[in-house]
Amino acid sequence: QGQLVQSGTEVKKSGASVKVSCEASGYTFIDAYIHWVRQAPGQGLEWMGWVNPNTGNTKYAQKFEGRVTVTSDTSINTAYMDLTGLRSDDTAIYFCAREYSATRRFDLWGRGTLVTVSS
Amino acid sequence: QSALTQPASVSGSPGQSVTISCTGTSGDVGTYNLVSWYQQLPDKAPKLLVYGVTKRPSGVSNRFSGSKSGNTASLTISGLRAEDEADYYCCSYAGINTPYVFGTGTRVIVL
Repeated sequence: QGQLVQSGTEVKKSGASVKVSCEASGYTFIDAYIHWVRQAPGQGLEWMGWVNPNTGNTKYAQKFEGRVTVTSDTSINTAYMDLTGLRSDDTAIYFCAREYSATRRFDLWGRGTLVTVSS
Repeated sequence: QSALTQPASVSGSPGQSVTISCTGTSGDVGTYNLVSWYQQLPDKAPKLLVYGVTKRPSGVSNRFSGSKSGNTASLTISGLRAEDEADYYCCSYAGINTPYVFGTGTRVIVL
């Protein structure tokens, strides 16, 4: 079935960068895209981007273009989300989620990583 | 790409049915039969309930059902139970340029 294990809570200053990891297990890592979705406190879900671990190809939401980089390392079955130029409104829980074989659904989610940005 | 529009909350008594709407545009919900629904319990990650507008993953109760008409998708919860109290989000594929858009979210309250 699979599992996605994310890295721990981060506290950053405005202007800094953060890198969140998402380690996959229990399935073939290169068979599924990894997406990143964030949720600000008390707010809804917001799609940020995806990486195809098989090819390294990526796609980002226009809102985050130039500030977010999503990568993967197939040797350790891990995806990463790097967000630069942090602002207070980037304070959120960041989730990774799996999309199997272009099925257009997120069938497995990590528990989320809280990123707090302080000034 | 704007978020899909959902009601902020819906409520019902145990045993009743509630329906959550999800209104998009011809660029997302109206064009693609690729709407999915997620349940998010407090302080938990979202869980896939429905995909491809009407399909349920194995293990998801048949009390959850999806449908679509035009630019609006809907999720119906039948036989409402206390454990259904959660936030629900729709999500639609929206094409190559901005692949995914989520709904604004609906809190289901069991009276």
